[in-house]
Parts: sequence; structure tokens; C-alpha cells
Amino acid sequence: DGGITQSPKYLFRKEGQNVTLSCEQNLNHDAMYWYRQDPGQGLRLIYYSQIVNDFQKGDIAEGYSVSREKKESFPLTVTSAQKNPTAFYLCASSRLGLFDEQFFGPGTRLTVL
Amino acid sequence: GENVEQHPSTLSVQEGDSAVIKCTYSDSASNYFPWYKQELGKGPQLIIDIRSNVGEKKDQRIAVTLNKTAKHFSLHITETQPEDSAVYFCAAASGSARQLTFGSGTQLTVLP
Repeated sequence: DGGITQSPKYLFRKEGQNVTLSCEQNLNHDAMYWYRQDPGQGLRLIYYSQIVNDFQKGDIAEGYSVSREKKESFPLTVTSAQKNPTAFYLCASSRLGLFDEQFFGPGTRLTVL
Repeated sequence: GENVEQHPSTLSVQEGDSAVIKCTYSDSASNYFPWYKQELGKGPQLIIDIRSNVGEKKDQRIAVTLNKTAKHFSLHITETQPEDSAVYFCAAASGSARQLTFGSGTQLTVLP
């Protein structure tokens, strides 16, 4: 089956620890995205990448980092510098055109204790 | 940058009735307007989209209208069913931004 996988579904970390969220896609998409979703708010873009070894900051990149070493993988690290890291994180991918559909993974709910 | 406002935040309708969700955007250069449906515990899924060169698009019970002059677009769901219950997000994008800006979402509940 083609799609996007995110793991784990639920993640708990202590305050001050860095944590890495996994995102893998087998759709052969060039573009990948990370969004943050908070209750009552829309999806806000953290980072996106259109090609291997290149990525751009979105609207709320502070306290996050990404890498794109392989086309199919786009991991997100939530660093200790992120002031409010508890949220639902969604990964998406698409072909390169602006009008191409973004396909979303099932999300990871991160709770920082 | 782009700003998208979505109303209402919650909407309850009786099964079989119609539901309308409205969005406004700020960037006149925006030219792509998708709508996503998110079921509980899942990622959003595209249900319909419209480009700025058309004013209306329909797909079975779902339709989207776009008014570029007023900078607003709407989602219309007819003959609602319980499985339509979900959170719906509108979004806008322009070629210059190359990213989607999402509205805050509408929780639609279809009452049997």
C-alpha cells in the first residue's frame, strides 16, 4: 500500500529533552511537509522540503529542526528550545506542483511532561 | 503573508439537511483553495479543491464556490449523513508562497 507513515502514534517526553518524530512516504513524492495542530487552530507549517538535502522554514520553525537525507524520509526534531512542544504533529507529502494534493500521515501526538 | 479565517467553528445539522462553511482570505494573489476533512485521530484528507479560474466546482454532494472579488470561498454539503461528521479545514495558496495557509477548522456534527 502506498502512503505516509508516522511513528509513534503517541510520544511522551520529559521537559528539556529533544525528541525526533519519524515520517516516511512511499508515494515517490518530491515535497514533504511538517505541520503542527493545536486545539481550535488550523494546521501551521513548521518546515517543508522540495528536494533531498534542502528544506525551508515555515511559519513556526523556531525550536524545531529537520533533515532530508533521503527522498522518502523527513524526520522532525523537537528541541528543548521549543517553548510549547505538546501538540499533534502531522507530516504530509505531495508532488512538486503548487496545486498538487497534499497527502497526510496519521499524525503523532507529543506530550511533554 | 496570507491569512485565512473560517466560520463557524462548530456546526450541527440534522441528517439530510445542508451544511455551509465559509472562509475568507487576505492575499489577492492566492489562486488555489482546497478543502480537507479530518476524522478523529486521523490526518486530513482532501475532499475538493478549486482554482481561481473557476467560480464553482461540484462533486456529488459536495460543492465549493469562490468569489475572488470578495476574497471568500465556501463549502456546501447537501443531504448530510452521519459519516460527514468531522472537522473541515479550508486553505489557500499562491504561487509566490508555495505553501498552504489553513483556516482554524469547523467541527461539523450531523445529528441522526
